[in-house]
Amino acid sequence: DVKVTQSSRYLVKRTGEKVFLECVQDMDHENMFWYRQDPGLGLRLIYFSYDVKMKEKGDIPEGYSVSREKKERFSLILESASTNQTSMYLCASGSTGARNYGYTFGSGTRLTVV
Amino acid sequence: LAKTTQPISMDSYEGQEVNITCSHNNIATNDYITWYQQFPSQGPRFIIQGYKTKVTNEVASLFIPADRKSSTLSLPRVSLSDTAVYYCLVGVLTGGGNKLTFGTGTQLKVEL
Repeated sequence: DVKVTQSSRYLVKRTGEKVFLECVQDMDHENMFWYRQDPGLGLRLIYFSYDVKMKEKGDIPEGYSVSREKKERFSLILESASTNQTSMYLCASGSTGARNYGYTFGSGTRLTVV
Repeated sequence: LAKTTQPISMDSYEGQEVNITCSHNNIATNDYITWYQQFPSQGPRFIIQGYKTKVTNEVASLFIPADRKSSTLSLPRVSLSDTAVYYCLVGVLTGGGNKLTFGTGTQLKVEL
């Protein structure tokens, strides 16, 4: 069964800490994405990558960075965590092409910054 | 990028058919329409995808009119377990970095 795996289901970090969220996919997808989801705001795109070492800003990149050194792995980095980054973080991957059968999402990481 | 508009919420009863419509007036020629389902504390799950006319799978049907400016997800005979948020997504992933943006989704609540 193909899937997207996020390293942690729940995470609690202190303000100012550097936080790494890891995502691994086993579908050989070119595209990978990081979203955050907050009540009433839906899914908001933070960053995405369409190839190894390539990255593009999404709609809310401030306070985040990403790394994609290998095709299967896409990391989200909070350089200095703040309480307003408390959220559910979702990783997704998808193949390139007109008919891509959509994204596959991970189960999410619920991050609490205290 | 095609912007989508969906109702914020819908209520239904078990056994009824539910139709959720998504508007996407500026859909591009190459764009596909994809619907996702999301349960609380889980990632969204792919339901169905289409380009034009009608698509049906074991879970749902997707109706797309000729002008493709809207689409309707049809869930036959819903049950309590269909209570979830449903997202309509319009676009296509191409190499070079285009992105697909989710709308706020439709919260479907199914009652007995």
